[in-house]
Amino acid sequence: GQNIDQPTEMTATEGAIVQINCTYQTSGFNGLFWYQQHAGEAPTFLSYNVLDGLEEKGRFSSFLSRSKGYSYLLLKELQMKDSASYLCAVQDSNYQLIWGAGTKLIIKP
Amino acid sequence: GAVVSQHPSRVICKSGTSVKIECRSLDFQATTMFWYRQFPKQSLMLMATSNEGSKATYEQGVEKDKFLINHASLTLSTLTVTSAHPEDSSFYICSARDREPNEQFFGPGTRLTVL
Repeated sequence: GQNIDQPTEMTATEGAIVQINCTYQTSGFNGLFWYQQHAGEAPTFLSYNVLDGLEEKGRFSSFLSRSKGYSYLLLKELQMKDSASYLCAVQDSNYQLIWGAGTKLIIKP
Repeated sequence: GAVVSQHPSRVICKSGTSVKIECRSLDFQATTMFWYRQFPKQSLMLMATSNEGSKATYEQGVEKDKFLINHASLTLSTLTVTSAHPEDSSFYICSARDREPNEQFFGPGTRLTVL
């Protein structure tokens, strides 16, 4: 079966760094996405990885290891507005997105 | 990025009525649109995949006669929840994929409350 695992909830301090992990087992692989979702809103795109390595985009970076079925999203210089759920999704061989349950990130002052 | 709109953003209806939700890609042609449902504190659940000009492909457990999907043009897909019941209350989100298949663009979602 297809499976995406990520922690349910994480807490971090404003200004700090947090890493959200995602492991996956899917039928085929055509890229891994990270989305941010604030409560009551639709997801917004953060990053896309299809090759191994680190992709950096401002305060957010995403890493992928296809051989390990592993990715992480790294958030630096955390701000209160970063409090949200972070969804990991893998695009399978049919280009459908398989979603993780999301990680709720709580930022404390 | 590309823009996808949904209408209405929020709807409250009585049990037994039907509700239509529109999803539009505003600045690109979407050959494929996806309809998701999200219950509180749960992940997105794919309901169906809609290809322009053909019948939608429904995920297992989703009743195609209850959730009618029409993708009549490259910029519009509609989801009609027929004979809605309180258990259909949820956040419905559409997404659209253009000819570059590496990203889905999400609409803002429609919150449906069935009384």
